Amino acid sequence: GAGVSQTPSNKVTEKGKYVELRCDPISGHTALYWYRQSLGQGPEFLIYFQGTGAADDSGLPNDRFFAVRPEGSVSTLKIQRTERGDSAVYLCASSLTGQGGTDTQYFGPGTRLTVL
Amino acid sequence: AQSVTQLGSHVSVSEGALVLLRCNYSSSVPPYLFWYVQYPNQGLQLLLKYTSAATLVKGINGFEAEFKKSETSFHLTKPSAHMSDAAEYFCAVSAYGGSQGNLIFGKGTKLSVKP
Repeated sequence: GAGVSQTPSNKVTEKGKYVELRCDPISGHTALYWYRQSLGQGPEFLIYFQGTGAADDSGLPNDRFFAVRPEGSVSTLKIQRTERGDSAVYLCASSLTGQGGTDTQYFGPGTRLTVL
Repeated sequence: AQSVTQLGSHVSVSEGALVLLRCNYSSSVPPYLFWYVQYPNQGLQLLLKYTSAATLVKGINGFEAEFKKSETSFHLTKPSAHMSDAAEYFCAVSAYGGSQGNLIFGKGTKLSVKP
């Protein structure tokens, strides 16, 4: 079946602009995660959705970052007033329940964001 | 707080040689531990995970890892490297122990395989 998909695969924007990054999780997965991976680093957690609600948004770096999942499926990560330091690969993952040892996070290919 | 340290940002082995990628963790609760692999321009793929059952965990592509509580380690091994194993490998720990929630990743180890 289809895996996690993310669009666009690449996004180049100018400093100060607004961007939206989209994640389509695996069908039926209730848990959805956003991570950010800077060059030479491991992924860093941003936000976790259980269904439509954000169960944990402690990783969002500041109030310029916001994410939604209005119908419990597709999620959009929104970044306002982008800064050069926001340049990174943004990864989305989904899992069936978000709970327990049998649950596995499946990752999408990521969106590479470049802020000029 | 949970954390993961991967020793060695870059490991190079010859084809057919043993692969050993090191991971040490810190966790205030019984940890769930993971190894993911990332091939160029691809997403992270789960290799294996430890969830408090058997301490020796076998994964895909011939990889395995052993959970050693006394050493707070979860090193990844493969007896014989293939060229196709060249990739970046990430060790991760679940942020909240048994309830998966988000993962905390190490900085990664890039594995090169020489012919």
